[in-house]
Amino acid sequence: QVQLVQSGAEAKKPGASVKVSCETSGYTFINYGINWLRQAPGQGLEWMGWISPYNADTKHPHKFQGRVTLTTDTSTSTAYMELRSLSSEDTAVYYCARNPPIRGHYDSSGYWDYWGQGTLVTVSS
Amino acid sequence: EIVLTQSPGTLSLSPGDRGTLACRASQSVRSSYVAWYQHKPGQAPRLLMYGASSRASGIPDRFSGSGSGTDFTLTISRLEPEDFAIYYCHVYHSSQRALGGGTKVEIK
Repeated sequence: QVQLVQSGAEAKKPGASVKVSCETSGYTFINYGINWLRQAPGQGLEWMGWISPYNADTKHPHKFQGRVTLTTDTSTSTAYMELRSLSSEDTAVYYCARNPPIRGHYDSSGYWDYWGQGTLVTVSS
Repeated sequence: EIVLTQSPGTLSLSPGDRGTLACRASQSVRSSYVAWYQHKPGQAPRLLMYGASSRASGIPDRFSGSGSGTDFTLTISRLEPEDFAIYYCHVYHSSQRALGGGTKVEIK
């Protein structure tokens, strides 16, 4: 069965970086995109970016460009999200989510059919 | 940039009631690339619908989706106790990506 298992909770100081992993199983990793989203306390879901494990292409909303790095390790079927220059506003639960390549491996279109369990990142001095 | 507005913000209903959740887009959605998710506290979101009206694997048939253009609807025909949650709509074309602010379905 398809599974996305994320790394554990993190506590960080302002200005630090965090790297969250998303280990996948039960499907062919390079055939599906991986998205990262977050939910801050009391807020809705926010999309942070997409990566194609097929060719390492990435897409981000302008808000996160330059501060987020998405990578994958195809040898372990794992995706990673690194967020730099953390502030208290980055305190949130972070999710990875898979998307079928409905318009091919070079296009980030797609709904999110399987999700990781979420990783709480707390930023506090 | 496309903006999604979900209404109402909160829906107070009783088990057995019918729930109708709306999602309005600021521009016409290409190819009806609209999905709906259910999100409960402490859990990952769950895909309910995609392509506006296609039910995801394992989703009960009391959930249905409809709409085209700028107006989309998620209907829960008879609310079960496990359906009380927050629901999000999502436009997933790469040139129109957006998430709605959510509708909370709470027990009346």
